[in-house]
Amino acid sequence: FVLTQSPGTLSLSPGERATLSCRASQSISSNYLAWYQQKPGQAPRLLIYGASSRATGIPDRFSGSGSGTDFTLTVSRLEPEDFAVYYCQQYSRSPALTFGGGTKVEI
Amino acid sequence: EVQVLESGGGLVQPGGSLRLSCAASEFTFSSYAMIWVRQAPGKALEWVSGIGGSGSDRYYADSVKGRFTISRDNPKNTLYLQMNNLRADDTAVYYCAKDHVSGDGLWLPGSWGQGTLVTVSS
Repeated sequence: FVLTQSPGTLSLSPGERATLSCRASQSISSNYLAWYQQKPGQAPRLLIYGASSRATGIPDRFSGSGSGTDFTLTVSRLEPEDFAVYYCQQYSRSPALTFGGGTKVEI
Repeated sequence: EVQVLESGGGLVQPGGSLRLSCAASEFTFSSYAMIWVRQAPGKALEWVSGIGGSGSDRYYADSVKGRFTISRDNPKNTLYLQMNNLRADDTAVYYCAKDHVSGDGLWLPGSWGQGTLVTVSS
């Protein structure tokens, strides 16, 4: 089971919209797809689960969508603190989890 | 606030052993599955192992099966990862994480610790 994230790096400016893609090699049942944000030297933080549900405390500029094999994380207006690496992860075949290779959002 | 804090990392020679611990607080530890995830330097996240709330259900990635053992001590609110026969490619930051939901759970890492670095080198 493979998750492919694209692009590898996204170069944007604060205030712009970021669109990150995650494609699965097989359909993800029950939309058990999550997104994490990781900043340098920090642990990952859960942003989105169930493909589109925001975790507690996550700003509404973060949104998730998709189903089956194609999923998207959108950041509507990038804030300076949003520049980080983002990972998608499937948990439909839990407890064995699979992470994508990550997308770096840079200024 | 939920807290998980890893310890026990360090430098170990190839073939050696190490035991990681993860101390949990501010939640009912026995009600949640717990998960280990690792991240090699500059690489993506990799699931390592998971254990159910009672400790009876244990799961491993193929890359560590037969070498690593996950366990928990619920009265002590502590998760463990015993790592034997370590190899250079086990070098990584090891994170413990609490499942996002209790009970049968989702095996979805919700709250993460800050990680502990394991370096396998001669």
